[in-house]
Amino acid sequence: DTGVSQDPRHKITKRGQNVTFRCDPISEHNRLYWYRQTLGQGPEFLTYFQNEAQLEKSRLLSDRFSAERPKGSFSTLEIQRTEQGDSAMYLCASSGTGAEQYFGPGTRLTVT
Amino acid sequence: DAKTTQPPSMDCAEGRAANLPCNHSTISGNEYVYWYRQIHSQGPQYIIHGLKNNETNEMASLIITEDRKSSTLILPHATLRDTAVYYCIVRVNNDMRFGAGTRLTVKP
Repeated sequence: DTGVSQDPRHKITKRGQNVTFRCDPISEHNRLYWYRQTLGQGPEFLTYFQNEAQLEKSRLLSDRFSAERPKGSFSTLEIQRTEQGDSAMYLCASSGTGAEQYFGPGTRLTVT
Repeated sequence: DAKTTQPPSMDCAEGRAANLPCNHSTISGNEYVYWYRQIHSQGPQYIIHGLKNNETNEMASLIITEDRKSSTLILPHATLRDTAVYYCIVRVNNDMRFGAGTRLTVKP
């Protein structure tokens, strides 16, 4: 197993467009997390899934953001009507029976 | 989750021990202390965690004070590849609350 993977690694989009990111967690990890990280700051929690159920959402996750994990394996994070303030690194992490989270390399979003 | 306080930056000489402090004076009895690091342009990497006993693994040691109000992450023989931002987090729930961390620079 090669760890958590994210696709794409970089995305440049124009303001107002929709974007979707994908995360593939470590096999058999039942918990999956999304974070956002802006320059010079630590990652900020966005949302958390246990299997296919979305159990927690941060208030940072506005109604333009939606995350899914339909079969309890990979997850997608969609941002509708992107704004320049959405420019950030979007990180995905997964965990299994242990509490430690394993992070992917992130998707860097630039909104022009 | 309790708040943590870390120095914004530290330097360490290559081959020496790097001791990274963290204050978490409002930690509650069931909150664990976690350490992660983030090397430039990569996702955070788990290092170690503990509740009240000191812990050691192949990467580092974690020393937690008896009152649990502070902890120290020790990298016993720092290398240039240990240059990164180190995050100390206390948590009991599933979400991790990262602060700004300590930027450790290992110098030759």
